[in-house]
Amino acid sequence: EAEVAQSPRYKITEKSQAVAFWCDPISGHATLYWYRQILGQGPELLVQFQDESVVDDSQLPKDRFSAERLKGVDSTLKIQPAELGDSAMYLCASSLAYRDNEQFFGPGTRLTVL
Amino acid sequence: AQKVTQAQTEISVVEKEDVTLDCVYETRDTTYYLFWYKQPPSGELVFLIRRNSFDEQNEISGRYSWNFQKSTSSFNFTITASQVVDSAVYFCALSEDTNFGNEKLTFGTGTRLTIIP
Repeated sequence: EAEVAQSPRYKITEKSQAVAFWCDPISGHATLYWYRQILGQGPELLVQFQDESVVDDSQLPKDRFSAERLKGVDSTLKIQPAELGDSAMYLCASSLAYRDNEQFFGPGTRLTVL
Repeated sequence: AQKVTQAQTEISVVEKEDVTLDCVYETRDTTYYLFWYKQPPSGELVFLIRRNSFDEQNEISGRYSWNFQKSTSSFNFTITASQVVDSAVYFCALSEDTNFGNEKLTFGTGTRLTIIP
């Protein structure tokens, strides 16, 4: 069964360091999403891509977060520099089409910033 | 703005009991979708159901059933004869159209369900 892949599964870093997360969506899925889930809360959308283009990054803290999907397939989310408040689960999801809201989620990367 | 409220933060029931998870939503859209996701301890979100706002029929899938009532803006989820494997955090979500032309999911804060053997 096709799945969304994410790595690493766990990341511990010190504040002010740079971190990067990788996501490989289900093959053929044009739309890719990055979510942040703070402990005890629901996921919140950070950025949405349609192929290689950003559709919505209104909730992405652009002073320290960046995301790219250069070839319209896999994607990288970067934080530089990391802050204590960035500790969270970062979830990647994909869907077949632009307005197809049936999203398939990966296992997530749990980030701890010390 | 769209909002999803899951007032039950944590629920514990004994195995084989039935349990209902509540979800209340707010939206100004006339067309929208409602979702339930399960998040086991491993972390991934598992899709359970999607419901179109025009379809108010209740749905049953095995031990799971969903009650959609537009009049009260609720989309409740019932597990019948609960099992230990049902222990997880359950999220209700609502899709919304954004100014960017996409659809975005707004999640509730989740209900942590613990099934006691």
